[in-house]
Parts: sequence; structure tokens; C-alpha cells
Amino acid sequence: QVQLKETGPGLVQPTQTLSITCTVSGFSLTSYYMQWVRQTPGKGLEWMGFIRSGGSTEYNSEFKSRLSISRDTSKNQVFLKMNSLKTEDTGVYYCASSYIGVMDAWGQGASVTVSS
Amino acid sequence: DIQMTQSPSLLSASVGDRVTINCKASQNINKYLNWYQQKLGEAPKLLIYNTNNLQTGIPSRFSGSGSGTDYTLTISSLQPEDFGTYFCFQHNSWPWTFGGGTKLELK
Repeated sequence: QVQLKETGPGLVQPTQTLSITCTVSGFSLTSYYMQWVRQTPGKGLEWMGFIRSGGSTEYNSEFKSRLSISRDTSKNQVFLKMNSLKTEDTGVYYCASSYIGVMDAWGQGASVTVSS
Repeated sequence: DIQMTQSPSLLSASVGDRVTINCKASQNINKYLNWYQQKLGEAPKLLIYNTNNLQTGIPSRFSGSGSGTDYTLTISSLQPEDFGTYFCFQHNSWPWTFGGGTKLELK
């Protein structure tokens, strides 16, 4: 059974770095792309980027300068790190597994509030 | 970036109705278009991928069509569990982009 679960800090201060972990089970990270998507009140759903089954990454240019996606295949974990947070980064962050652009399994989302 | 424009943004319908949701891309997306359903407090759920392919486990009352810049999601006979928000998503060109959503509510 495919499962994905995001864990994050909940609250982050402006200018600080957001770190979220996506832990997966039921499939191998070396077989699927892993995507990050966020949903904010201001912009709705936004594709952020992915890490390919082979380990290379692709980022939305909107976030490229401050976003990093990585993984630890031995722990079945994918990581999102985004620095220089602003209040408009408040939202829900999802990881999803995909065959290239077809995101067919999603985590329940990690709610993030950026506030001092 | 490719802009995805959904219409209508709000749709009121009754159980048993046939409903259609439209998605227009700002340029040709070569049928790389997925449809997702989202209910309040939940993650999006894949319904249709690459324009007209029904995801495993999704009822056959859902169907998709389109080409070029214009795409459509059709629900042939609306069921109570179908109410929620629907999003289109293009994965033809980076950055991949979502539509703004269509909220389907009970009339």
C-alpha cells in the first residue's frame, strides 16, 4: 500500500528556512519522481519542483533561488528546504509520487504558517 | 509560463446532472493535462491524466477530452460524493501549472 506523509515545523519565522520531510512506503524512490506542490491562500496550487527517480532535480523558477529538494533512499525520505521565508509562503505543502507529470499519490499535507 | 484558466469558477448542480468543467491553456499543451478533485481539508486526488485516461479506481462517469489549448472534464451523472473543487494541471512545459479551480456545489 502506497503511503506518503509530510512532517514539518508548523510555524516558521519570516526570513528563516522551512524544512519538510516526506516519508514514503509501499514503493521505491528510485522508481518514481517525487514532487512538491503547495497550496497558498494567495496563489492556490503551485507546482514547486521534483526529484527524479535517478536523483536529478527540476525546480519552478518561481522558487529556484531558494528551494532545494533532496532525498535519502535508504530511509525512504524526500526533503524540501526553502529559505528566506515570507508571510505569503504560508500554506499547505504536499509531496506526491508521480510518473513524470502524473501525480497519482499524495501525502496529507503539512500546514506551514510563516509568522513572527 | 503557461496560464491555465478554468471556467466556471463556481458551478451549482444537482445530483444526476451532467456537468462540464473547462480548462483553457495559454498555449498548446499537447494533451499533457490532468484533472484533480479536492475536498476540504484533503489532498488533491487524480481523476484523469493526459486528457482522457481514467485513473484506476475512478468511476466511469468521469471523462476528459480536448486538445491543443482547450480541455474539458465531464461528469455524466453527478453523485453526492462528487461535490468539491476541481483543478486542471498541465505538465507539458516547465513550470508546470494548475488552473485556479472550479468549485462544484449542491444547487
